[in-house]
Amino acid sequence: KAGVTQTPRYLIKTRGQQVTLSCSPISGHRSVSWYQQTPGQGLQFLFEYFSETQRNKGNFPGRFSGRQFSNSRSEMNVSTLELGDSALYLCASSRSAGTSGYNEQFFGPGTRLTVL
Amino acid sequence: DAKTTQPPSMDCAEGRAANLPCNHSTISGNEYVYWYRQIHSQGPQYIIHGLKNNETNEMASLIITEDRKSSTLILPHATLRDTAVYYCIVRARDDKIIFGKGTRLHILP
Repeated sequence: KAGVTQTPRYLIKTRGQQVTLSCSPISGHRSVSWYQQTPGQGLQFLFEYFSETQRNKGNFPGRFSGRQFSNSRSEMNVSTLELGDSALYLCASSRSAGTSGYNEQFFGPGTRLTVL
Repeated sequence: DAKTTQPPSMDCAEGRAANLPCNHSTISGNEYVYWYRQIHSQGPQYIIHGLKNNETNEMASLIITEDRKSSTLILPHATLRDTAVYYCIVRARDDKIIFGKGTRLHILP
């Protein structure tokens, strides 16, 4: 079974630009979560989507947005890029979502975004 | 919010058991404890999870205290390839997933 894939793997942008990152979950998984990882802040939760609906959102400004398609693939968008947005963006998929029950997440390799 | 507290770093001699503690005193009754690890610049890798009982798989064992306020991940025979950051995770009350800073485990040859 193919794992979580993320494209592109590496990206260089300049301040003020916008960027779209893509995530394809494991087949059969309906939940996709996004995380930002930086050396200073560690792994921080961005948002979670399940069946095309955003279930939860982390404490990030409105410049960060996402969506999920009917085939469970997800995209996240960052507008008006700032230097501090340079990070590894990780996507994770799971079969379901929710606080109860077993809900293992499988992570992709990440997209490394550099903002100059 | 349900949070986890882990020591920032630990050392373990190669071949010995590595015991990584995690405090999750605000965990609720139906929340699972998950452990992941992240090897440099890769996506986190699932290790094990548990609810109330101790669990074991091919990678590790998970010991959860009876009051569920803490747990310990045990790598029975640590190797150099186990050098990584280990994250203990519980699902928060508001349903957000909080990773915390994790424990950086150094395996010493």
